[in-house]
Amino acid sequence: GDSVTQMEGPVTLSEEAFLTINCTYTATGYPSLFWYVQYPGEGLQLLLKATKADDKGSNKGFEATYRKETTSFHLEKGSVQVSDSAVYFCALFITNTGTASKLTFGTGTRLQVTL
Amino acid sequence: NAGVTQTPKFQVLKTGQSMTLQCAQDMNHNSMYWYRQDPGMGLRLIYYSASEGTTDKGEVPNGYNVSRLNKREFSLRLESAAPSQTSVYFCASRFEDRQGSSTQYFGPGTRLTVL
Repeated sequence: GDSVTQMEGPVTLSEEAFLTINCTYTATGYPSLFWYVQYPGEGLQLLLKATKADDKGSNKGFEATYRKETTSFHLEKGSVQVSDSAVYFCALFITNTGTASKLTFGTGTRLQVTL
Repeated sequence: NAGVTQTPKFQVLKTGQSMTLQCAQDMNHNSMYWYRQDPGMGLRLIYYSASEGTTDKGEVPNGYNVSRLNKREFSLRLESAAPSQTSVYFCASRFEDRQGSSTQYFGPGTRLTVL
C-alpha cells in the first residue's frame, strides 16, 4: 500500500540555521505530494505541494522538490526562525477508483528552533 | 469565509457515553474527511464522504459512525465511547482544481478525552 516515511524528530536548530526534513514515499501510482505544518494547539495548514515529477513547491521560504527517481520530497529552508517551530507532516494523495481517495501521512517531525 | 469549522474544541466523556462531533465547510467542496491524530502515528482516516449522501470507511472506522447531512456538514458520532478513542479529531474538506490537483483543508480539531 501507499506509505510515507519521515525522519524522526525532534529536530532542534538554532535560529538562522539550514533546515532539511527528509521524506520518502511508496505509491502504486503517481501521487501528489504535500507538506503540512501544525503549530501548537492548531490544525494542519498546507505549507506547499507538488503534483508531478520535478515540480518544486515553495512557500514562506520553505521548498521541496518532487523527485520521482528517489521517491522523495525533502523539505528545506535556508534560514529558520523561532516562529517556524511546529510539527511538519509529509503526505501523498492518489485519486483512486473504487476505494477512498485519501491523504496518506507520515508520522510528523517536530522542529524546535532556539535563539 | 470561515473555511472548515469544528465543534466542540474540547470534550471529556465517560466510558460508554455518546457524542457527535460537528464539522462544516463553507468552500463548496464535495469531499469531506474525518481523521484522528495520535502521538507518533500521524493522522489516520476514520471515514470520508466523496459527495452529499455518500460515505466510506477509512483505515480506522470501528466505533464510529458518520453522517453527511448536506454538502456543508459532515458529523462524526461515537455511540459508546472507549478510552482508546481518546485523541484529537480533525475534519477536512478537499478542493480539486480543473487540472486534477487536489488540496485538503483542515479544521482546528476537537480534543477528546474518554475516562
